[in-house]
Amino acid sequence: NAGVTQTPKFQVLKTGQSMTLQCAQDMNHNSMYWYRQDPGMGLRLIYYSASEGTTDKGEVPNGYNVSRLNKREFSLRLESAAPSQTSVYFCASSYQGGEKLFFGSGTQLSVL
Amino acid sequence: QKEVEQDPGPLSVPEGAIVSLNCTYSNSAFQYFMWYRQYSRKGPELLMYTYSSGNKEDGRFTAQVDKSSKYISLFIRDSQPSDSATYLCAMANTNAGKSTFGDGTTLTVKP
Repeated sequence: NAGVTQTPKFQVLKTGQSMTLQCAQDMNHNSMYWYRQDPGMGLRLIYYSASEGTTDKGEVPNGYNVSRLNKREFSLRLESAAPSQTSVYFCASSYQGGEKLFFGSGTQLSVL
Repeated sequence: QKEVEQDPGPLSVPEGAIVSLNCTYSNSAFQYFMWYRQYSRKGPELLMYTYSSGNKEDGRFTAQVDKSSKYISLFIRDSQPSDSATYLCAMANTNAGKSTFGDGTTLTVKP
């Protein structure tokens, strides 16, 4: 089983460029999440989708947008990348409720 | 003040030692308590899951939850070099739809 698949694994952007991080899960989970992880700051929730058709802001939503394309896919978009968005981004999913998360392998993003 | 505080570490122990990892929290509504293990350059993986108070054991790992003290622990017995990783505690409450994570404790087990 693939579980949670994120693309790309690495990306370098220049300030002001845009990009979309893709995430797909094949576990028939209802809820999906985007986290960022910075050194010494743990995992911080950017946006989440409790169910298909809904999205909610997390702890650090500024500068990001999301789309829950269908039950399997949840994308994260940076419209105008900034150096402060340099981080490792993780997509996760759960059957429901936000506990028992399954994570993807991450996207390492550098914004120059 | 953060909702979830985790002992920062790093922690270095010899192989075979008993390891104790700890988190405190302030939100009394939390009912689900998780421990995730994260190897370098990998995504976190769920290690232990506990609902409400009490202990849960899985092999060399024991998770304890004390809701009266708002304190959770993860014990690793007979630690192995393969246990070297960052351990993240996480908590959630019913219908919140999301977990809140601690900052993680990096553990190194030396042969």
